[in-house]
Amino acid sequence: GQSLEQPSEVTAVEGAIVQINCTYQTSGFYGLSWYQQHDGGAPTFLSYNALDGLEETGRFSSFLSRSDSYGYLLLQELQMKDSASYFCAVGLDWGGSYIPTFGRGTSLIVHP
Amino acid sequence: DAGVTQSPTHLIKTRGQQVTLRCSPKSGHDTVSWYQQALGQGPQFIFQYYEEEERQRGNFPDRFSGHQFPNYSSELNVNALLLGDSALYLCASSLEVRNNEQFFGPGTRLTVL
Repeated sequence: GQSLEQPSEVTAVEGAIVQINCTYQTSGFYGLSWYQQHDGGAPTFLSYNALDGLEETGRFSSFLSRSDSYGYLLLQELQMKDSASYFCAVGLDWGGSYIPTFGRGTSLIVHP
Repeated sequence: DAGVTQSPTHLIKTRGQQVTLRCSPKSGHDTVSWYQQALGQGPQFIFQYYEEEERQRGNFPDRFSGHQFPNYSSELNVNALLLGDSALYLCASSLEVRNNEQFFGPGTRLTVL
């Protein structure tokens, strides 16, 4: 079977740095994606890691360790608009198709 | 450049009824996937369409069916609605089936009474 674990909620203050961890157990692992979803909105793709290491995109960075089945999303210089749910998604290879399996999400609350 | 669009935005049905949800992918995308997102949960994969055929299917009963048209738009049909089918239904498009970046639409909020 497959399992994904990420914290249910994280709180931080504006300007701070926050790390959202994700651990997984699965077979057919292809890569790890991160999505942001504001209340009532569509999930928005943030980043993707297929290889070990750090990927940086502006204020957001994502890390993957395949040997540890672990990844994280790092958000720097937090802004109020970063308050949202963040989902890690394990990408699985289903007969040549890339199918993401989503975790339950982490609610990030940014305080002034 | 229009992103992924879905219709309707909200829908209320009663148990036993049937529903059809519609999705237009982002311009240039040929692959459409459907997801069900219950409150407080992550999106759950229903199925993926490519070249007008169902490529992969998640753990959903046959009451859930779909279709993809030659212009790549897609429909999700749910028969014999149950209370538990109440959820946000998301459509996502990508360029080809192996692309890791999926673009999601705003979803259809289905309420079954």
